[in-house]
Amino acid sequence: DAGVTQSPTHLIKTRGQQVTLRCSPKSGHDTVSWYQQALGQGPQFIFQYYEEEERQRGNFPDRFSGHQFPNYSSELNVNALLLGDSALYLCASSTTGTGNEQYFGPGTRLTVT
Amino acid sequence: RKEVEQDPGPFNVPEGATVAFNCTYSNSASQSFFWYRQDCRKEPKLLMSVYSSGNEDGRFTAQLNRASQYISLLIRDSKLSDSATYLCVVNRNNAGNMLTFGGGTRLMVKP
Repeated sequence: DAGVTQSPTHLIKTRGQQVTLRCSPKSGHDTVSWYQQALGQGPQFIFQYYEEEERQRGNFPDRFSGHQFPNYSSELNVNALLLGDSALYLCASSTTGTGNEQYFGPGTRLTVT
Repeated sequence: RKEVEQDPGPFNVPEGATVAFNCTYSNSASQSFFWYRQDCRKEPKLLMSVYSSGNEDGRFTAQLNRASQYISLLIRDSKLSDSATYLCVVNRNNAGNMLTFGGGTRLMVKP
């Protein structure tokens, strides 16, 4: 049973560029959440997708957008990259329903130069 | 004030020691609680959910005090492999499944 997968593993971008990160949820899961983890801090919630719609959003600007596909996989897009966007981006999957456990993928480490 | 607060540590303990981590949360509407473990430069992995009645999984015991808005994790008979950062996590469940993480407590178990 494949767990949560993410691609790419690492990415280096220049300030002002755009980036797309991808996530495939664990088999049987239909909900995908994205988190940003800066060095030395806990992950921060960006947004969550269910039934191809953004269901909930954290305190992140509109430069951060996402999408969920019919097969439940998801993308995170970040426009106009800033140096401060450098972080580990984590995708977590779960089944729908409040309080359900979330399982994380290995993350994409984004460096903005 | 952060919504979930933890002592960042590090906690340096010898093998075999018992160590306890504490966490406080500020939102009384929080409904679900978890401990995650994160190894250096890896993803967080679910260690255990935390229930009001307290729960145990092998050497790990988690407790929740809703009145004090306080969560704890006790690790008995520490192993070298327990060295990691332990993240306290709450879920408000108000409109889905948004996890709020503490900053993590770093544990180093020494031989």
